[in-house]
Amino acid sequence: EAEVAQSPRYKITEKSQAVAFWCDPISGHATLYWYRQILGQGPELLVQFQDESVVDDSQLPKDRFSAERLKGVDSTLKIQPAELGDSAMYLCASSLGLAGTNEQFFGPGTRLTVL
Amino acid sequence: QKEVEQDPGPLSVPEGAIVSLNCTYSNSAFQYFMWYRQYSRKGPELLMYTYSSGNKEDGRFTAQVDKSSKYISLFIRDSQPSDSATYLCALNQAGTALIFGKGTTLSVSS
Repeated sequence: EAEVAQSPRYKITEKSQAVAFWCDPISGHATLYWYRQILGQGPELLVQFQDESVVDDSQLPKDRFSAERLKGVDSTLKIQPAELGDSAMYLCASSLGLAGTNEQFFGPGTRLTVL
Repeated sequence: QKEVEQDPGPLSVPEGAIVSLNCTYSNSAFQYFMWYRQYSRKGPELLMYTYSSGNKEDGRFTAQVDKSSKYISLFIRDSQPSDSATYLCALNQAGTALIFGKGTTLSVSS
């Protein structure tokens, strides 16, 4: 069964350090999302890609976060420098991106702890 | 007022009970209504996906959407200990990011 892959699964870092997360969506899925989920809350969008283009990054803290999907397949989310408040689960999701299809499938997430 | 409201619980029921989980929303532009199940420290798993008002059934799960009241529900029949998880409602318009509720934590005891 096709799945969204993410790595690493867990990351512990000190504040002011740089961290990077990787996501490989389900094969053929044109739309890729990065969400952040704080403990006890629902996920919230950070950035949405359609192929290699950014569709929505209005909630991405651009002073420290960056995201790319250079070839329209896998994607990297980077935080530099990390802050204590960045501790959360970072989730990647993908969908076909075709009209009439809207299901989003999530990966296992990367749990980030900033010390 | 948040776009999607969901009672976080926790909700505790005995095995075999019928569980009712609910969300209300304020944006009438939402077209798609989903329920995800999330086990501790895992990613959300898509359970139910509906587009229009009405009911959709899949095994022990029934999703119900009432657009006129802006109210969605998930019913779980014959609940099992393996159903213990957090249930998240999620809504969106076509091709946009999901707007999630806070999630309801369910515990089913044997």
